[in-house]
Amino acid sequence: GENVEQHPSTLSVQEGDSAVIKCTYSDSASNYFPWYKQELGKRPQLIIDIRSNVGEKKDQRIAVTLNKTAKHFSLHITETQPEDSAVYFCAASNNYGQNFVFGPGTRLSVLP
Amino acid sequence: SAVISQKPSRDICQRGTSLTIQCQVDSQVTMMFWYRQQPGQSLTLIATANQGSEATYESGFVIDKFPISRPNLTFSTLTVSNMSPEDSSIYLCSVGPEKLFFGSGTQLSVL
Repeated sequence: GENVEQHPSTLSVQEGDSAVIKCTYSDSASNYFPWYKQELGKRPQLIIDIRSNVGEKKDQRIAVTLNKTAKHFSLHITETQPEDSAVYFCAASNNYGQNFVFGPGTRLSVLP
Repeated sequence: SAVISQKPSRDICQRGTSLTIQCQVDSQVTMMFWYRQQPGQSLTLIATANQGSEATYESGFVIDKFPISRPNLTFSTLTVSNMSPEDSSIYLCSVGPEKLFFGSGTQLSVL
């Protein structure tokens, strides 16, 4: 079955700097890759996603890139703000929305 | 996206008892799922709740321990049976297909 790895497990950046979180997946049949943000005590929130027919997607300060050949995808956050501090989870899914497998998470701390 | 309500939001239970968690969606959805999030950990799929038929369980989860109902396209329940401290987790319902959205979660502590 699918296996998703995520690095780093923790990340601290200064406010205004960029943050990059990387995930790798094992199943070449995976075709949908969402990213979730989970603040302490709250539900995971979908922040951006990408499908396998697209190499990059951007939404304001957040972008995701996908390299299907290498089976990895990354989350890029620019101009980080303290409110970006949270745990971020990547996931991979095949069959467009079934069989989601989540990465172990990255705890991002943005220092003022 | 759909509004997904869960209750209870938290509970403290005694070992050996059972707790039923309810998930209500404000619109009909084809797919509903139940996830477990152990303290400080990632999200693990327990089962897919199938409307009108038995749930589909992931490896390591069994119906006797986690019975699930889904009587219609907007509602599902998850029961955690014969609880032990190892069942202390956050339980989340979610809806699909394609984009996965989560309910508010139930934080369960078993003493």
